[in-house]
Amino acid sequence: AQKITQTQPGMFVQEKEAVTLDCTYDTSDQSYGLFWYKQPSSGEMIFLIYQGSYDEQNATEGRYSLNFQKARKSANLVISASQLGDSAMYFCAMRHSGAGSYQLTFGKGTKLSVIP
Amino acid sequence: EPEVTQTPSHQVTQMGQEVILRCVPISNHLYFYWYRQILGQKVEFLVSFYNNEISEKSEIFDDQFSVERPDGSNFTLKIRSTKLEDSAMYFCASSNRDRADSPLHFGNGTRLTVT
Repeated sequence: AQKITQTQPGMFVQEKEAVTLDCTYDTSDQSYGLFWYKQPSSGEMIFLIYQGSYDEQNATEGRYSLNFQKARKSANLVISASQLGDSAMYFCAMRHSGAGSYQLTFGKGTKLSVIP
Repeated sequence: EPEVTQTPSHQVTQMGQEVILRCVPISNHLYFYWYRQILGQKVEFLVSFYNNEISEKSEIFDDQFSVERPDGSNFTLKIRSTKLEDSAMYFCASSNRDRADSPLHFGNGTRLTVT
C-alpha cells in the first residue's frame, strides 16, 4: 500500500527565514509523482510543486524547492524567505497507480506558522 | 489561470436528506475526482471519473454516493441519504492526464455539515 508520512504536525518559522517541511513516502511503484499542496485557513487546496520519480534534479518553483532523495524515499519541501502569507497547512502527496486510475494519496499535513 | 469551481461553498443539511455537490472542472481536463477531508484529518480519495464512467472508487464511496457528468461542464457528487459522519470538506479535482506526473487541480471545496 502507498503511504505518505509527515512527521511534523506543526512548525514555526521566523519571517524571512527558510523552513523545511519533511515528507517520506513508501511505494513499490517505479513511476510516481510527488506533490506539495498548500491549504490556507480558507480551505482551498493549492498546488505548489511537483517532482517525478525519474527526475534527477530537484524541482524548484519560485520560493519553493523540493529536496528529493529517492534512496531515502523522502521529498522535503523547502520554503525560502518565509512570508506571513505562507502560514497554512502543507500536504505532501503522491500520485501512483491504483486499481483503475492514478490516485493521489495525501499525508496528514504540517501546519506552518510564520512569526513576524 | 483556469480553475476548478465548486458550489455551494457551504451546505447544511439534515440527516437523511439528499445533497448534490457541484463542480465545474477545468475545461480541457478529462479526468475528474472527488476527495473529502473530515475536519482535522487527512484528505481521502473517494472516486475518479473518466469518459462518463467511474474509473475507480474507494471503500468510502458506497451505494449512498453517486457521481454524474450531466452536461459538458458540470461534475456532481450526490449523497442519497446523508449521515452525521458525512460532515466534511468535499473537494472536486481535475487533471488533463491520468499519469503519475500530472497534478490534480482542486476546487475551493464544499463544506458539508450534516445535523
